[in-house]
Amino acid sequence: KAGVTQTPRYLIKTRGQQVTLSCSPISGHRSVSWYQQTPGQGLQFLFEYFSETQRNKGNFPGRFSGRQFSNSRSEMNVSTLELGDSALYLCASSLVFSGANVLTFGAGSRLTVL
Amino acid sequence: DAKTTQPNSMESNEEEPVHLPCNHSTISGTDYIHWYRQLPSQGPEYVIHGLTSNVNNRMASLAIAEDRKSSTLILHRATLRDAAVYYCILRAPGANNLFFGTGTRLTVIP
Repeated sequence: KAGVTQTPRYLIKTRGQQVTLSCSPISGHRSVSWYQQTPGQGLQFLFEYFSETQRNKGNFPGRFSGRQFSNSRSEMNVSTLELGDSALYLCASSLVFSGANVLTFGAGSRLTVL
Repeated sequence: DAKTTQPNSMESNEEEPVHLPCNHSTISGTDYIHWYRQLPSQGPEYVIHGLTSNVNNRMASLAIAEDRKSSTLILHRATLRDAAVYYCILRAPGANNLFFGTGTRLTVIP
């Protein structure tokens, strides 16, 4: 069973540009959530999608957005990039929302903003 | 959101047991206790979870206090591959917005 696939793995952008990151969940998983990891703030929840609808959103500015497609694949977009957006962006998928349910994470997309 | 408290770092000798503590005094009755770990340059990886009873799987054991205000992740024989940051997380039903905290950085000494 293939795991969670994130693309691209590494990318470099400059301030003011925008970036789109992609996440393909485990087959059959309908929930996709995104996290940002930085050395200063650690792992922080960005947003979560289920059946193409955003269920939850973390405390991030509107420059951070996402969407989910009918095949459960998800994308997140960051517009007007700032230096502080340099981070590892992690995607996780899960079957449902039970408290017992497990998240499976991808390897992440490492974004560097210059 | 109920939060957890973990030591920043711990060390263990290789092939010895490791007990990683976690305090969660504000846990609610429906919160599951989950442990994830993150190896260098990888995404977090699920380790184990439980609600009230102690749990065992091939990776580790989870001991949950009777009042559920604390728990301990037990690695029975630490290997160098177990060197990672271990996160103790409270997971409410219907929520995938996990709060990771700072975790415990485990160093395994050969």
